[in-house]
Amino acid sequence: DGGITQSPKYLFRKEGQNVTLSCEQNLNHDAMYWYRQDPGQGLRLIYYSQIVNDFQKGDIAEGYSVSREKKESFPLTVTSAQKNPTAFYLCASSIAEGLGFDEQFFGPGTRLTVL
Amino acid sequence: GQNIDQPTEMTATEGAIVQINCTYQTSGFNGLFWYQQHAGEAPTFLSYNVLDGLEEKGRFSSFLSRSKGYSYLLLKELQMKDSASYLCAVMDSNYQLIWGAGTKLIIKP
Repeated sequence: DGGITQSPKYLFRKEGQNVTLSCEQNLNHDAMYWYRQDPGQGLRLIYYSQIVNDFQKGDIAEGYSVSREKKESFPLTVTSAQKNPTAFYLCASSIAEGLGFDEQFFGPGTRLTVL
Repeated sequence: GQNIDQPTEMTATEGAIVQINCTYQTSGFNGLFWYQQHAGEAPTFLSYNVLDGLEEKGRFSSFLSRSKGYSYLLLKELQMKDSASYLCAVMDSNYQLIWGAGTKLIIKP
Protein backbone atom coordinates (compact mmCIF):
# COMPACT_ATOMS: atom_id res chain seq x y z
CA ASP A 1 0.00 0.00 0.00
CA GLY A 2 1.25 3.46 -0.88
CA GLY A 3 1.19 6.16 1.69
CA ILE A 4 3.02 8.56 3.97
CA THR A 5 4.45 7.60 7.31
CA GLN A 6 5.51 9.86 10.11
CA SER A 7 7.28 8.80 13.24
CA PRO A 8 6.95 8.92 16.09
CA LYS A 9 3.26 9.62 16.78
CA TYR A 10 4.06 11.36 20.07
CA LEU A 11 7.35 13.01 20.98
CA PHE A 12 8.49 14.68 24.16
CA ARG A 13 11.60 16.80 24.40
CA LYS A 14 13.19 19.11 26.90
CA GLU A 15 13.44 22.79 26.12
CA GLY A 16 16.67 23.67 24.32
CA GLN A 17 17.03 20.32 22.54
CA ASN A 18 16.85 19.87 18.80
CA VAL A 19 14.51 17.15 17.57
CA THR A 20 14.02 15.58 14.14
CA LEU A 21 10.64 14.42 12.84
CA SER A 22 10.60 11.72 10.21
CA CYS A 23 8.48 11.72 7.04
CA GLU A 24 8.64 9.01 4.38
CA GLN A 25 6.41 8.49 1.33
CA ASN A 26 6.24 5.69 -1.23
CA LEU A 27 3.75 7.42 -3.55
CA ASN A 28 6.49 8.53 -5.93
CA HIS A 29 5.45 12.14 -5.39
CA ASP A 30 7.82 14.93 -6.31
CA ALA A 31 6.51 17.54 -3.86
CA MET A 32 6.59 17.26 -0.08
CA TYR A 33 5.43 19.67 2.61
CA TRP A 34 5.65 20.28 6.34
CA TYR A 35 2.78 21.96 8.17
CA ARG A 36 2.22 22.97 11.73
CA GLN A 37 -1.28 22.85 13.22
CA ASP A 38 -2.22 24.68 16.43
CA PRO A 39 -5.65 24.70 18.08
CA GLY A 40 -8.02 27.17 16.45
CA GLN A 41 -5.67 27.90 13.56
CA GLY A 42 -5.36 26.71 10.02
CA LEU A 43 -2.45 24.64 8.79
CA ARG A 44 0.64 26.79 8.41
CA LEU A 45 3.36 25.89 5.92
CA ILE A 46 6.85 25.49 7.37
CA TYR A 47 8.87 24.23 4.39
CA TYR A 48 8.20 22.57 1.09
CA SER A 49 10.23 20.78 -1.52
CA GLN A 50 9.41 20.24 -5.19
CA ILE A 51 12.44 18.17 -6.08
CA VAL A 52 15.35 16.33 -4.48
CA ASN A 53 18.07 18.58 -3.04
CA ASP A 54 15.86 21.66 -3.25
CA PHE A 55 13.45 23.19 -0.75
CA GLN A 56 11.83 26.54 0.01
CA LYS A 57 10.75 28.31 3.17
CA GLY A 58 7.08 28.56 3.93
CA ASP A 59 5.33 31.13 6.09
CA ILE A 60 6.85 30.08 9.43
CA ALA A 61 10.28 28.61 8.66
CA GLU A 62 12.17 30.33 11.49
CA GLY A 63 13.52 27.84 13.99
CA TYR A 64 13.09 24.87 11.63
CA SER A 65 15.33 23.13 9.10
CA VAL A 66 14.78 20.41 6.49
CA SER A 67 16.68 18.27 4.02
CA ARG A 68 15.61 16.43 0.86
CA GLU A 69 18.39 14.00 0.01
CA LYS A 70 16.01 11.35 -1.29
CA LYS A 71 12.70 11.62 -3.11
CA GLU A 72 11.02 9.49 -0.46
CA SER A 73 12.21 11.33 2.62
CA PHE A 74 11.74 14.87 3.97
CA PRO A 75 12.80 15.09 7.65
CA LEU A 76 12.07 18.20 9.70
CA THR A 77 14.34 19.39 12.51
CA VAL A 78 12.83 21.58 15.18
CA THR A 79 15.71 23.55 16.62
CA SER A 80 16.11 25.25 19.97
CA ALA A 81 15.59 28.57 18.16
CA GLN A 82 11.91 27.79 17.65
CA LYS A 83 10.14 29.82 20.35
CA ASN A 84 7.01 27.75 20.73
CA PRO A 85 7.59 24.28 19.27
CA THR A 86 4.77 22.40 20.98
CA ALA A 87 2.29 21.59 18.20
CA PHE A 88 0.90 18.94 15.87
CA TYR A 89 3.17 18.51 12.83
CA LEU A 90 1.82 17.18 9.55
CA CYS A 91 3.80 16.03 6.54
CA ALA A 92 2.17 15.88 3.11
CA SER A 93 3.09 15.03 -0.45
CA SER A 94 1.63 15.66 -3.89
CA ILE A 95 2.34 14.79 -7.50
CA ALA A 96 3.48 18.22 -8.59
CA GLU A 97 3.08 21.88 -7.89
CA GLY A 98 1.67 24.44 -10.29
CA LEU A 99 -0.96 22.30 -11.94
CA GLY A 100 -4.11 23.59 -10.23
CA PHE A 101 -5.69 20.40 -8.92
CA ASP A 102 -2.96 18.92 -6.82
CA GLU A 103 -4.34 16.82 -3.99
CA GLN A 104 -2.07 16.68 -0.99
CA PHE A 105 -1.84 13.38 0.86
CA PHE A 106 -1.10 13.64 4.56
CA GLY A 107 0.77 11.50 7.02
CA PRO A 108 -0.75 10.67 10.44
CA GLY A 109 1.12 13.51 12.14
CA THR A 110 3.53 13.85 15.05
CA ARG A 111 2.45 15.57 18.24
CA LEU A 112 5.50 17.27 19.72
CA THR A 113 5.48 18.43 23.31
CA VAL A 114 8.40 20.44 24.64
CA LEU A 115 8.66 20.35 28.40
CA GLY B 1 -3.27 39.82 3.28
CA GLN B 2 -4.79 36.48 2.48
CA ASN B 3 -7.71 35.28 4.53
CA ILE B 4 -10.01 32.27 4.74
CA ASP B 5 -13.06 32.44 7.02
CA GLN B 6 -15.12 29.51 8.26
CA PRO B 7 -17.41 29.13 11.28
CA THR B 8 -15.54 27.72 14.25
CA GLU B 9 -18.13 25.13 15.23
CA MET B 10 -21.49 23.80 14.05
CA THR B 11 -23.93 21.29 15.49
CA ALA B 12 -26.35 19.13 13.52
CA THR B 13 -28.57 16.11 14.03
CA GLU B 14 -27.97 12.63 12.66
CA GLY B 15 -29.85 12.17 9.38
CA ALA B 16 -30.14 15.90 8.71
CA ILE B 17 -28.36 18.21 6.23
CA VAL B 18 -25.70 20.77 7.13
CA GLN B 19 -23.99 23.49 5.09
CA ILE B 20 -20.52 24.69 6.03
CA ASN B 21 -19.57 28.05 4.51
CA CYS B 22 -16.16 29.34 3.52
CA THR B 23 -15.30 32.84 2.33
CA TYR B 24 -11.89 33.78 1.02
CA GLN B 25 -9.71 36.70 0.00
CA THR B 26 -6.52 35.52 -1.66
CA SER B 27 -3.86 36.67 -4.09
CA GLY B 28 -5.19 34.89 -7.14
CA PHE B 29 -7.23 31.72 -7.31
CA ASN B 30 -6.32 28.30 -8.65
CA GLY B 31 -8.95 26.20 -6.98
CA LEU B 32 -10.62 25.52 -3.64
CA PHE B 33 -10.26 22.32 -1.65
CA TRP B 34 -12.28 20.79 1.17
CA TYR B 35 -10.64 18.32 3.54
CA GLN B 36 -12.05 16.31 6.44
CA GLN B 37 -9.99 15.86 9.59
CA HIS B 38 -10.98 13.63 12.49
CA ALA B 39 -9.50 14.63 15.84
CA GLY B 40 -5.81 13.80 16.09
CA GLU B 41 -5.68 12.38 12.57
CA ALA B 42 -4.51 13.47 9.14
CA PRO B 43 -6.72 15.56 6.85
CA THR B 44 -8.25 13.62 3.95
CA PHE B 45 -9.35 15.12 0.64
CA LEU B 46 -13.08 15.58 0.03
CA SER B 47 -13.55 17.86 -2.98
CA TYR B 48 -12.06 20.37 -5.38
CA ASN B 49 -13.76 23.27 -7.19
CA VAL B 50 -12.12 25.54 -9.74
CA LEU B 51 -15.16 26.59 -11.80
CA ASP B 52 -18.37 28.12 -10.48
CA GLY B 53 -21.11 25.70 -9.61
CA LEU B 54 -21.87 22.58 -7.68
CA GLU B 55 -19.78 19.40 -7.55
CA GLU B 56 -21.59 16.38 -6.14
CA LYS B 57 -19.93 13.31 -4.72
CA GLY B 58 -22.26 10.95 -2.89
CA ARG B 59 -23.54 12.51 0.33
CA PHE B 60 -21.14 15.43 -0.03
CA SER B 61 -21.45 18.39 -2.41
CA SER B 62 -19.31 21.49 -2.75
CA PHE B 63 -20.28 24.80 -4.34
CA LEU B 64 -18.14 27.66 -5.58
CA SER B 65 -18.80 31.27 -6.54
CA ARG B 66 -15.54 32.92 -7.59
CA SER B 67 -17.11 36.37 -8.00
CA LYS B 68 -18.29 36.28 -4.39
CA GLY B 69 -15.20 34.55 -2.99
CA TYR B 70 -17.50 31.97 -1.47
CA SER B 71 -17.83 28.23 -1.19
CA TYR B 72 -19.89 25.80 0.84
CA LEU B 73 -19.72 22.14 1.67
CA LEU B 74 -23.08 20.40 1.92
CA LEU B 75 -23.36 17.16 3.88
CA LYS B 76 -26.57 15.15 3.52
CA GLU B 77 -27.95 12.23 5.54
CA LEU B 78 -25.54 12.98 8.36
CA GLN B 79 -23.96 10.06 10.16
CA MET B 80 -22.19 10.03 13.50
CA LYS B 81 -18.91 9.32 11.71
CA ASP B 82 -19.21 12.72 10.00
CA SER B 83 -18.27 14.34 13.31
CA ALA B 84 -14.96 15.94 12.38
CA SER B 85 -13.36 19.22 11.40
CA TYR B 86 -13.82 20.41 7.83
CA LEU B 87 -10.99 22.46 6.37
CA CYS B 88 -11.35 24.88 3.48
CA ALA B 89 -8.17 25.69 1.53
CA VAL B 90 -7.57 27.94 -1.48
CA MET B 91 -4.69 27.58 -3.94
CA ASP B 92 -3.37 31.07 -4.63
CA SER B 93 -1.57 32.52 -7.65
CA ASN B 94 1.72 30.95 -6.49
CA TYR B 95 0.01 27.54 -6.27
CA GLN B 96 0.35 27.59 -2.49
CA LEU B 97 -2.51 26.32 -0.35
CA ILE B 98 -3.95 28.87 2.10
CA TRP B 99 -5.85 27.10 4.85
CA GLY B 100 -8.83 28.15 6.92
CA ALA B 101 -8.90 27.32 10.64
CA GLY B 102 -11.50 24.62 10.06
CA THR B 103 -15.09 24.07 11.19
CA LYS B 104 -15.68 21.54 13.93
CA LEU B 105 -18.91 19.67 13.15
CA ILE B 106 -20.68 17.97 16.05
CA ILE B 107 -23.36 15.42 15.18
CA LYS B 108 -25.99 14.64 17.80
CA PRO B 109 -28.21 11.54 17.75
